[in-house]
Amino acid sequence: DGGITQSPKYLFRKEGQNVTLSCEQNLNHDAMYWYRQDPGQGLRLIYYSQIVNDFQKGDIAEGYSVSREKKESFPLTVTSAQKNPTAFYLCASSSPGTAKEATQYFGPGTRLLVL
Amino acid sequence: GDSVTQMEGPVTLSEEAFLTINCTYTATGYPSLFWYVQYPGEGLQLLLKATKADDKGSNKGFEATYRKETTSFHLEKGSVQVSDSAVYFCALRGQAGTALIFGKGTTLSVSS
Repeated sequence: DGGITQSPKYLFRKEGQNVTLSCEQNLNHDAMYWYRQDPGQGLRLIYYSQIVNDFQKGDIAEGYSVSREKKESFPLTVTSAQKNPTAFYLCASSSPGTAKEATQYFGPGTRLLVL
Repeated sequence: GDSVTQMEGPVTLSEEAFLTINCTYTATGYPSLFWYVQYPGEGLQLLLKATKADDKGSNKGFEATYRKETTSFHLEKGSVQVSDSAVYFCALRGQAGTALIFGKGTTLSVSS
């Protein structure tokens, strides 16, 4: 089955700790995205990547980092600089490529909680 | 910049009632418009989309028409079911190569 997988489903972070959220897709999509979802705030863009080895900051990139070494993978690291990381994190990819009409497909999400 | 405004929820309906969720947008040019649905604890699923003015997107009994003159993309369904209870997001993409811009979401609750 083609799709987007995110792991883990739940992640706990201790004070001062960096944690990495995994996102993998087997849809052969070029573009991938990370969003953060907070109650009543909709989705806010953290980072996106249109092609391997290239990525751009979104609206709320501070305290986060990403890499795009492979087309299939777009991991997100939540660093200790992110002071309010508790949220639901959604990864997405889109096809065809970066066209205006392209549909974004979403993974099941990772819920990050702070201990 | 581009933006999407949705009616605030929650929207509470009885089964078989008519549903409208309003969505208006601000964008330069001719954006593509989307409706996504999110069930509790899950990611978002595309419900329907429209890519040019006067297009009507439809899926699973839901419909939305791209109205350039009123910059709107309202979601409608003639007869809702309990299983339609979810959060609905309106979104746009104004230019190629950019990410979607989402509204804040509207929670729909349908009771039997």
